[in-house]
Amino acid sequence: GAVVSQHPSWVICKSGTSVKIECRSLDFQATTMFWYRQFPKQSLMLMATSNEGSKATYEQGVEKDKFLINHASLTLSTLTVTSAHPEDSSFYICSARDPRGGTYEQYFGPGTRLTVT
Amino acid sequence: QQQVKQSPQSLIVQKGGISIINCAYENTAFDYFPWYQQFPGKGPALLIAIRPDVSEKKEGRFTISFNKSAKQFSLHIMDSQPGDSATYFCAASPYASNSGYALNFGKGTSLLVTP
Repeated sequence: GAVVSQHPSWVICKSGTSVKIECRSLDFQATTMFWYRQFPKQSLMLMATSNEGSKATYEQGVEKDKFLINHASLTLSTLTVTSAHPEDSSFYICSARDPRGGTYEQYFGPGTRLTVT
Repeated sequence: QQQVKQSPQSLIVQKGGISIINCAYENTAFDYFPWYQQFPGKGPALLIAIRPDVSEKKEGRFTISFNKSAKQFSLHIMDSQPGDSATYFCAASPYASNSGYALNFGKGTSLLVTP
């Protein structure tokens, strides 16, 4: 299968600061990446679709000014949580669909645990 | 609105038994149905996926059964092992010759396989 990495794997920040999370497709190029948020014992909630070279598409209820997404290359998308608050504490996971072979199977990164104090 | 309904919410199976998780959908545009396994603190890992042109797909101990007319699909884990204890998510999306479709996930099933 394809490999998607995330960095950092966990981060603790103070309220009011910004945090950047990187998502990379290591062995394939991804024109589209997805960002999800997951609360404990819950399903994955799609936050936004990140398109290389264009603006991200945000899901209803997700603040685009708070969760900045940049997909500057075919292997890298970043999510910046701006002016973080304790309620932003969550598990953030990115994914990308692998176009090789025409199956477009979606592979997930290992996730980033964000704790805002 | 949950586009993919998953059941049961939790499941306990004895080692060696068969674990069965069911999902149902309404959107007839969906034609790609993957299953993911997630361990605590990790990202979901793709287990197996199916498209509607087949009714069953098997990979090792994992089998997807698909019923297009009922708009239902299920995951069977044969000879369940304690190491299979994890949360399982079904998902669905349209399938097209591009990578732009996000997956719609079920709420997940917490599986515990007892020794």
